[in-house]
Amino acid sequence: DAGVTQSPTHLIKTRGQQVTLRCSPKSGHDTVSWYQQALGQGPQFIFQYYEEEERQRGNFPDRFSGHQFPNYSSELNVNALLLGDSALYLCASSPTNTDTQYFGPGTRLTVL
Amino acid sequence: GENVEQHPSTLSVQEGDSAVIKCTYSDSASNYFPWYKQELGKGPQLIIDIRSNVGEKKDQRIAVTLNKTAKHFSLHITETQPEDSAVYFCAASKASSASKIIFGSGTRLSIRP
Repeated sequence: DAGVTQSPTHLIKTRGQQVTLRCSPKSGHDTVSWYQQALGQGPQFIFQYYEEEERQRGNFPDRFSGHQFPNYSSELNVNALLLGDSALYLCASSPTNTDTQYFGPGTRLTVL
Repeated sequence: GENVEQHPSTLSVQEGDSAVIKCTYSDSASNYFPWYKQELGKGPQLIIDIRSNVGEKKDQRIAVTLNKTAKHFSLHITETQPEDSAVYFCAASKASSASKIIFGSGTRLSIRP
């Protein structure tokens, strides 16, 4: 049984560009959350998707948007990239109506 | 606002000794407290969790304690081994179907041979 998978592993972009990150949840999980982890810090909650809707959002600007597909996989989109968006982006999945979240390996985004 | 504070930021212990990491949370509505271990280049791995209706939970060499009144919770690792070296994060959430997890800032644990 595969765990949470994310792609790509690493990504380099320049300021002002747009990026799309992808996540596939664990089998049987229908809820996907996204987190941003800056170097040397704990992960910070971006938003959560359930039934293809954004259910909860953290303190991130509208440049950060997402989508969930009928197969429960998810995308994170970031527009107008800033240097400060450089971070490890983590996806976590959980089964319906449970609080335990399981994390993927992350996508390392570098903005130059 | 919601906040989780974690101490110490770095911890070095002799192999075989115990390690303790302490956290406090600000939101009294928090009722679910997971602990994650993150190795270099990997995502956080859930190692143990505790809910607010329980004061202590143990899993082999790992134990967590929770003091709801003081809003403190701690991770205890006994008989430490080299493979315990990693960054550990405490976290808190209001367990529900739409729960976000608030993380502490992490503790870098090093095990000296």
